[in-house]
Amino acid sequence: DSGVTQTPKHLITATGQRVTLRCSPRSGDLSVYWYQQSLDQGLQFLIQYYNGEERAKGNILERFSAQQFPDLHSELNLSSLELGDSALYFCASSVAGVNNEQFFGPGTRLTVL
Amino acid sequence: SQQGEEDPQALSIQEGENATMNCSYKTSINNLQWYRQNSGRGLVHLILIRSNEREKHSGRLRVTLDTSKKSSSLLITASRAADTASYFCATDDAGGSYIPTFGRGTSLIVHP
Repeated sequence: DSGVTQTPKHLITATGQRVTLRCSPRSGDLSVYWYQQSLDQGLQFLIQYYNGEERAKGNILERFSAQQFPDLHSELNLSSLELGDSALYFCASSVAGVNNEQFFGPGTRLTVL
Repeated sequence: SQQGEEDPQALSIQEGENATMNCSYKTSINNLQWYRQNSGRGLVHLILIRSNEREKHSGRLRVTLDTSKKSSSLLITASRAADTASYFCATDDAGGSYIPTFGRGTSLIVHP
């Protein structure tokens, strides 16, 4: 158990819908990362937050957004969902912002029908 | 494109044998990390090696780093069926964002 929790575990929804994925980092970790893992694209970095502020952006679509709240939990919002958004979405946390070991949550499996 | 790429894509061995996986990357790095992922689960950190280190050990794991060749290898000695998983290297970009970039992984199957 990494100490990172993600909810829900599974999500099945239809194209055009909007969903919110939630992540609670390990106690004491200030940095949260979001990743998307699909068979064809591998593990893609989406976005990082550090202590409530956006720190880095990766291959995140404009339809996706995220935020980190004062209690350090984070949410990833996915809107206007498309079939291609079906993937595993992982949250990871680390103590600081750079060059640190990341602790991954169990992931949320999103299926868009 | 991926910063780090693992090789081989898949590896199948018998229990007790050693497994070697390689990672090549393109730009200068601050450090390189190896992670393991069991099917459909989250990644688990195995080992971090800094750019000024050449070799690191952790239990049955041995990682080497050759910055002149921009490559790293992960050796698992005396493999067990429980080592069956995908293994990823993650590299940052010393001249860039410092965000770890993951390769596509090596899928290791250890037959009992």
